[in-house]
Amino acid sequence: QVLLVQSGAEAKKPGASVKVTCKASGYTFTKYHMHWVRQAPGQGLDWMGIIRDTDGFTQYAQKFQGRVTMTRDTSTNTVYMELSSLRSEDTAVYFCAREEEATYHFDYWGQGTLVTVSS
Amino acid sequence: EIVLTQSPGTLSLSPGERATLSCRATETVKSDRLVWYQQKAGQPPRLLIYGASSRATGIPDRFSGSGSGTDFTLTIDRLEPEDFAVYFCQQYVGLEYTFSQGTKLEMK
Repeated sequence: QVLLVQSGAEAKKPGASVKVTCKASGYTFTKYHMHWVRQAPGQGLDWMGIIRDTDGFTQYAQKFQGRVTMTRDTSTNTVYMELSSLRSEDTAVYFCAREEEATYHFDYWGQGTLVTVSS
Repeated sequence: EIVLTQSPGTLSLSPGERATLSCRATETVKSDRLVWYQQKAGQPPRLLIYGASSRATGIPDRFSGSGSGTDFTLTIDRLEPEDFAVYFCQQYVGLEYTFSQGTKLEMK
């Protein structure tokens, strides 16, 4: 079955960086885009960006440009999301989510990774 | 950037009733790019409806989506206890995906 398994919770200080992993299994990794979406406590969902299926091309939401980097390792079917210059407002649960190309929806999600930013 | 506004913010209903949730966009959204999710506390979102009206795999037929242009609706017939959750709509336009702020469906 399709599984997206994310790394564990992180606690970071302001100004630091965090790298969250998402390991995929149960499907052909390079046939699906992977997205990152975050959710601050008690808030809605915020799309962060996409790493595309065939070529690994990335595209980021404007509000995260310059601070987020998404990469992948096709040998281990793992996607990474690194967010730098952390501030308290980045405290959130970060999800990876899969999209079949040109379907515009996310059919499987990781369990989420809580990142807490506090001094 | 297209903004999606859901209404109402909170909907209080009883099991067996019908829920009607609205999602309004600030610009036209192609129907194949409007999506609905359900989220329960401590869980990731669950895909319900894609392409404005197509049910995802395993979603009961009491869930239905409709609408076009800037106005879309999620209808849940005969509410079951497990349907009480937060619902989000999502769209894709201009290389960006955006979500609404959500509607909380609570049990009366």
